[in-house]
Amino acid sequence: EAQVTQNPRYLITVTGKKLTVTCSQNMNHEYMSWYRQDPGLGLRQIYYSMNVEVTDKGDVPEGYKVSRKEKRNFPLILESPSPNQTSLYFCASSGGQGRRATNEKLFFGSGTQLSVL
Amino acid sequence: QKEVEQDPGPLSVPEGAIVSLNCTYSNSAFQYFMWYRQYSRKGPELLMYTYSSGNKEDGRFTAQVDKSSKYISLFIRDSQPSDSATYLCAGLKTSYDKVIFGPGTSLSVIP
Repeated sequence: EAQVTQNPRYLITVTGKKLTVTCSQNMNHEYMSWYRQDPGLGLRQIYYSMNVEVTDKGDVPEGYKVSRKEKRNFPLILESPSPNQTSLYFCASSGGQGRRATNEKLFFGSGTQLSVL
Repeated sequence: QKEVEQDPGPLSVPEGAIVSLNCTYSNSAFQYFMWYRQYSRKGPELLMYTYSSGNKEDGRFTAQVDKSSKYISLFIRDSQPSDSATYLCAGLKTSYDKVIFGPGTSLSVIP
């Protein structure tokens, strides 16, 4: 089954404790991205990657890191989480090749609800 | 001003009603327009997308884009309780650009 898998689904942590949210897709998609979803603000892009070893900032990258060492995986790293990073996070992927992504068809994971105390 | 705006609702309708969900956008460069459906505790899933102006129909769902007024609509005919979800509209300039999402409209279809 074609899917984007995120782990964990729920995470409670404390300020300053480094954490990683994993994302994996099995559709051989080149384009992957991370979003956070907050009430009233909708989905905002954190980082995206057009290809292996190619990543770029989205709208709200501060406090986050990503890496794309393999095509299928795109982990999101919070080096020193703060309470304002409490949010619902989604990983997404789409097909295409290089800059010619097909972002009109994004496939989303089930989300990670993060609480930073 | 947000690039894509929509009334957050919640919108509550009886089963069988025709539902109209609407968005406005400000970026005249948008060429692709999408509707995503998001069930509670799930990720958004693509419902429909259209390119440029016009209508697109898929079963009970019709997406309509009016680029002259920068208005996007989604119509749901014969609404069902299983349609209860948050609906996100989105715009895109080119296929490889960043997708801009609206905040979503929460819909409840009451049996």
